[in-house]
Amino acid sequence: EDKVVQSPLSLVVHEGDTVTLNCSYEVTNFRSLLWYKQEKKAPTFLFMLTSSGIEKKSGRLSSILDKKELFSILNITATQTGDSAVYLCAVSIHNAGGTSYGKLTFGQGTILTVHP
Amino acid sequence: EAQVTQNPRYLITVTGKKLTVTCSQNMNHEYMSWYRQDPGLGLRQIYYSMNVEVTDKGDVPEGYKVSRKEKRNFPLILESPSPNQTSLYFCASSLSRGNEKLFFGSGTQLSVL
Repeated sequence: EDKVVQSPLSLVVHEGDTVTLNCSYEVTNFRSLLWYKQEKKAPTFLFMLTSSGIEKKSGRLSSILDKKELFSILNITATQTGDSAVYLCAVSIHNAGGTSYGKLTFGQGTILTVHP
Repeated sequence: EAQVTQNPRYLITVTGKKLTVTCSQNMNHEYMSWYRQDPGLGLRQIYYSMNVEVTDKGDVPEGYKVSRKEKRNFPLILESPSPNQTSLYFCASSLSRGNEKLFFGSGTQLSVL
């Protein structure tokens, strides 16, 4: 059974701190790993990672994938109260022909709370 | 504005009373999907559709039905809702099955009494 595990489940920090969120996975036929941010309701896309060792960056957020050790990290530097959200990690798998099954398997999420 | 629209946002109903949650996207996406989100369990896929008239089960399809008669719409039907279907539901779409970047609707909070 495909499995995605995030840690920690919750994290409380103060503005200006740097945080690292973890995502490990056990799936067959890995295709890609995605990070989403969920504030209030709808998850919004942050990053998609397919290759090991290549860091994706967007402002204060960055993420990297290790396909050998089967995990990814999401870093947020100089946190702000607006970073408070649930961060979701999801993995996509492919069939024998290399095509995505069209399904994302999600982890439980990490609840990040940033205090002023 | 490109978006996925779900209705209603909140719904309280009673056991056994049929209901439909609508989902519409204006991005001409081929792929659409329904997820439910429960505390501690993350998002789990209910059904998905790769194109018009093509639907398939996800991980937790029991008690749900879907249809895809038009490309833009993908309603979720609960024929006889039960309390264990109380959950937060999300509709999502992407350009195609091979494109994993999902766009999510704002969610429907369903309570079945």
